[in-house]
Amino acid sequence: DQQVKQNSPSLSVQEGRISILNCDYTNSMFDYFLWYKKYPAEGPTFLISISSIKDKNEDGRFTVFLNKSAKHLSLHIVPSQPGDSAVYFCAAKGDKAAGNKLTFGGGTRVLVKP
Amino acid sequence: DTEVTQTPKHLVMGMTNKKSLKCEQHMGHRAMYWYKQKAKKPPELMFVYSYEKLSINESVPSRFSPECPNSSLLNLHLHALQPEDSALYLCASSQERLSNQPQHFGDGTRLSIL
Repeated sequence: DQQVKQNSPSLSVQEGRISILNCDYTNSMFDYFLWYKKYPAEGPTFLISISSIKDKNEDGRFTVFLNKSAKHLSLHIVPSQPGDSAVYFCAAKGDKAAGNKLTFGGGTRVLVKP
Repeated sequence: DTEVTQTPKHLVMGMTNKKSLKCEQHMGHRAMYWYKQKAKKPPELMFVYSYEKLSINESVPSRFSPECPNSSLLNLHLHALQPEDSALYLCASSQERLSNQPQHFGDGTRLSIL
């Protein structure tokens, strides 16, 4: 039973345009959400996070939106650059009862075309 | 540059060998984690240490034995592994297990079991 889902396994976008990555979750007890980027042969790199008490967090070209009622979050990258080509994982942190563990989505592979 | 350092980067071992994976961080983080990642899958949590004590063991087989000698070091001792244990093993750290702070990952050890 996947508690965190990324329904788009891949995304292709033109350089300079916006990349929108989506993530859905089922557990209403998740209270902290993160996005990671992963290049081949490297570990995941933390990008941006958002607490469940907020609905938006912005850091440079990266913005994360959280819609708690829909149990949905998204990552916007604008403008997209060729160096953004990577696999992106969303992750959610459970509460104390769940051991505060991170649960990852299956990932979305992004290709930014020059 | 990752602030979590893992050694070795690659390891090939037979099913009867004993080896250890090492992880080091100098960010003053008090929570450290071991994850296993198979190809095209998200990371799966194995163990969590908090303040050098084992907090979570995700029902990992006993052929994997974690150790946290001090607050900066985390080891994973391997013995009598199976071919299906071949994977990327990732170490991560965070300020504290219970806080809403991101986990930072190393680049992993790619393990192949012959």
